[in-house]
Amino acid sequence: DGGITQSPKYLFRKEGQNVTLSCEQNLNHDAMYWYRQDPGQGLRLIYYSQIVNDFQKGDIAEGYSVSREKKESFPLTVTSAQKNPTAFYLCASSITSGQGAGGYTFGSGTRLTVV
Amino acid sequence: GESVGLHLPTLSVQEGDNSIINCAYSNSASDYFIWYKQESGKGPQFIIDIRSNMDKRQGQRVTVLLNKTVKHLSLQIAATQPGDSAVYFCAESSGNTPLVFGKGTRLSVIA
Repeated sequence: DGGITQSPKYLFRKEGQNVTLSCEQNLNHDAMYWYRQDPGQGLRLIYYSQIVNDFQKGDIAEGYSVSREKKESFPLTVTSAQKNPTAFYLCASSITSGQGAGGYTFGSGTRLTVV
Repeated sequence: GESVGLHLPTLSVQEGDNSIINCAYSNSASDYFIWYKQESGKGPQFIIDIRSNMDKRQGQRVTVLLNKTVKHLSLQIAATQPGDSAVYFCAESSGNTPLVFGKGTRLSVIA
């Protein structure tokens, strides 16, 4: 089955640690995205990538970093500079950065908690 | 910046009734709109989309209406079922920009 896989499902981070969230897709989609969701809130864009080896900051990129070395993979690193990282993180992909039919396909999310 | 929002944060409907979820957007350049359904602890799932050259689009039990004059989008769900209980998000974009999401409406279906 084609899809987008996020791991781990739950992640705990200690103060001052960097953690990396994995996102892999086998849909042959060019574009990939990271969104952050806080309780009772909508999705806010962290970073996005329209093509391999290229990515752009979204609305809340501070304290996060990404890489796009392979078409299938778009890992997100939450650095110690992110002061309030506890949230639900969603990865998505789309055929192109334009509006392909069906919009984005989302993963099942990673819930990050600072302990 | 531009934002997408929803009129009501919560909506309760009787099973079998029709549901209408509303969304206001402020970016007059937006040309693509989409509705997602998100169940607790899961990623959003695509429901239906519409482009700005249309004012209505129908799917299975769902209809999206777009009123560009007042920048309003709505999702109608016919014969609402318990499985429809979820949070519904509208999202919009213009050109190749990433989707901008609203804050969501929680739909609760009363059996």
